[in-house]
Amino acid sequence: DAGVIQSPRHEVTEMGQEVTLRCKPISGHNSLFWYRQTMMRGLELLIYFNNNVPIDDSGMPEDRFSAKMPNASFSTLKIQPSEPRDSAVYFCASTPSSGGVGEQYFGPGTRLTVT
Amino acid sequence: GIQVEQSPPDLILQEGANSTLRCNFSDSVNNLQWFHQNPWGQLINLFYIPSGTKQNGRLSATTVATERYSLLYISSSQTTDSGVYFCAPLTGANNLFFGTGTRLTVIP
Repeated sequence: DAGVIQSPRHEVTEMGQEVTLRCKPISGHNSLFWYRQTMMRGLELLIYFNNNVPIDDSGMPEDRFSAKMPNASFSTLKIQPSEPRDSAVYFCASTPSSGGVGEQYFGPGTRLTVT
Repeated sequence: GIQVEQSPPDLILQEGANSTLRCNFSDSVNNLQWFHQNPWGQLINLFYIPSGTKQNGRLSATTVATERYSLLYISSSQTTDSGVYFCAPLTGANNLFFGTGTRLTVIP
């Protein structure tokens, strides 16, 4: 079975540009999570969805960040406008159980560099 | 949020040696996961363990939720075990809180 799929795997962009990261969760999983990993802050949750509905977005750093889940098999994380401090690895994860409880499985991540 | 402390922060082992990694957390949790982040950055699931002991090959994990800690045992270490090991308790808010990790280097 395919795991969590993320694209692109690497993204290099200039400050001020819009960036869109994509995630396809494992088929049948009901909850989806976006995490960010930086040297300074480690791994931290940005937002999570349950049955395509955003439940907790308290980790989203600021209004420049937005996330959507239009259907059960696709989610996007958008940064507009991007800034150098957004450089990080962004992970998507999914879990089979509703309510976000359950073992989380991570995608390979998207390494974002904003120059 | 919950505080997660992992020790040791860094560990260097000779191939074949055994090790114990520790994870302390500051609050009650619903569950706990251990991950291995390999040198390519992938997060690999090791254990999903709210309490008790589980074993998978050369690895085993024990969580004592009442005392707020978990241990990861690696036996007969191999160079492919190198990477960073993360403990991540799951709180009532369904949020995985990651520790700062233990960086393991296994030398041949």
